[in-house]
Amino acid sequence: AQKITQTQPGMFVQEKEAVTLDCTYDTSDQSYGLFWYKQPSSGEMIFLIYQGSYDEQNATEGRYSLNFQKARKSANLVISASQLGDSAMYFCAMREGRNRDDKIIFGKGTRLHILP
Amino acid sequence: EPEVTQTPSHQVTQMGQEVILRCVPISNHLYFYWYRQILGQKVEFLVSFYNNEISEKSEIFDDQFSVERPDGSNFTLKIRSTKLEDSAMYFCASSRQGTNEKLFFGSGTQLSVL
Repeated sequence: AQKITQTQPGMFVQEKEAVTLDCTYDTSDQSYGLFWYKQPSSGEMIFLIYQGSYDEQNATEGRYSLNFQKARKSANLVISASQLGDSAMYFCAMREGRNRDDKIIFGKGTRLHILP
Repeated sequence: EPEVTQTPSHQVTQMGQEVILRCVPISNHLYFYWYRQILGQKVEFLVSFYNNEISEKSEIFDDQFSVERPDGSNFTLKIRSTKLEDSAMYFCASSRQGTNEKLFFGSGTQLSVL
C-alpha cells in the first residue's frame, strides 16, 4: 500500500490565485514528520516546509503553509498568491518513526502549472 | 547557503559497466542518503548512511549497489554492473540531524545506461 498519496497528477492555476496541493499519508506510528519539496524543470529538489506529528500549529514558511489534519491523515500544501515561478513538480514526503536515521519516502508528485 | 555537490552531472555508460557517482555532502552533516528518480517520476529511496555504516536500504539497493565514505568529505554510490533499468537521475542528500529536519539535496547525476 502507498504510504504517501498525491491524487492530483497535474494542476493548472491562474497566477495570483491560491493553490492547494493534496497529500494523504498512511502510518501507524505516533511520531512522524511530513515534508514538501519543489522540483522545478531544472531538476533540483528544493525543501519548502516541514510539519512534525506533535506540532500543534500548522507550519508556515512565507507563502507556503501546511494544512495538517492529523485525524484525516492529510498534509495539504497551500501556496498563497501563486507566481509563475511556482510552476514545478511538488512532492509530499514522510518520515515514519522518531529515529533520526529513519528514511524519508516520497509521493508520486503533483505537477503544478501557473498560467499568466 | 552551503550545498551538496554531485559529480558528474551526466554519466553515459554501457550496460554491464561499473559506475561511481560522487557526492560531497555539506561539511558538518552526519547523515547521508541516495535517492533515484526515473524520468521525472517518483523519487525512490535507495540507502541511508550514518556513522560509517548503512542505516537502511530499500529493495532496489541490491548486491549491485554499494556506498562508501572513503574520506571525510566524499560519499559515493557504486553500481557494479549497470543494467538498462538503472538509467535514472540519482540524488545525493545530507542532513545534520537526520530526518528530524530537512534533507539538503544535490543537483543530481543523470545516469544513462546504453
